[in-house]
Amino acid sequence: GAVVSQHPSWVICKSGTSVKIECRSLDFQATTMFWYRQFPKQSLMLMATSNEGSKATYEQGVEKDKFLINHASLTLSTLTVTSAHPEDSSFYICSASPASYEQYFGPGTRLTVT
Amino acid sequence: GNSVTQMEGPVTLSEEAFLTINCTYTATGYPSLFWYVQYPGEGLQLLLKATKADDKGSNKGFEATYRKETTSFHLEKGSVQVSDSAVYFCALDRGSTLGRLYFGRGTQLTVWP
Repeated sequence: GAVVSQHPSWVICKSGTSVKIECRSLDFQATTMFWYRQFPKQSLMLMATSNEGSKATYEQGVEKDKFLINHASLTLSTLTVTSAHPEDSSFYICSASPASYEQYFGPGTRLTVT
Repeated sequence: GNSVTQMEGPVTLSEEAFLTINCTYTATGYPSLFWYVQYPGEGLQLLLKATKADDKGSNKGFEATYRKETTSFHLEKGSVQVSDSAVYFCALDRGSTLGRLYFGRGTQLTVWP
């Protein structure tokens, strides 16, 4: 149980385009979902926290207009990277939490912007 | 501030060897401490946790003790297996805000038969 999926697992896009990443909790309802970013050989950095039906809370330094987060249902959150640039290339990981304390992580999405 | 420092990898061991992955932390307040494991192609999974000083978390033969005096949470296993090959992340939370996890950089462990 407690499986979180991400789609796509790998995406390549051209500079200036937008790309959407989906995060789904497959067998539980996620009250809260989180989006992390991981650079090579670096730790995971929390980008934002979202609750279903509410606006996401962004961490300091994260551009909310660039990284649009939508938590439309208790099983789905999306991260849209708008007007992507090569510096946005990274590994994006989501996690989902039911009403309990623990987070369940997705396998991650590798974004490459050319 | 809050931060986690863990030993850099990769760590390569033979099967049945003893494993230690060092983790130290800096935190305000009274954090909980975690070890997550990421197997190839999968998401991070919680391996073990400790919520207060002197607590020992354990799971699947892995152990870690919350040492407040040395601000450490080292991961140990007495006899590793090939199936333990993965990336291990140490993490802490501030204890007051759900989801605000601070991660170390991860340590790649490879176990050879």
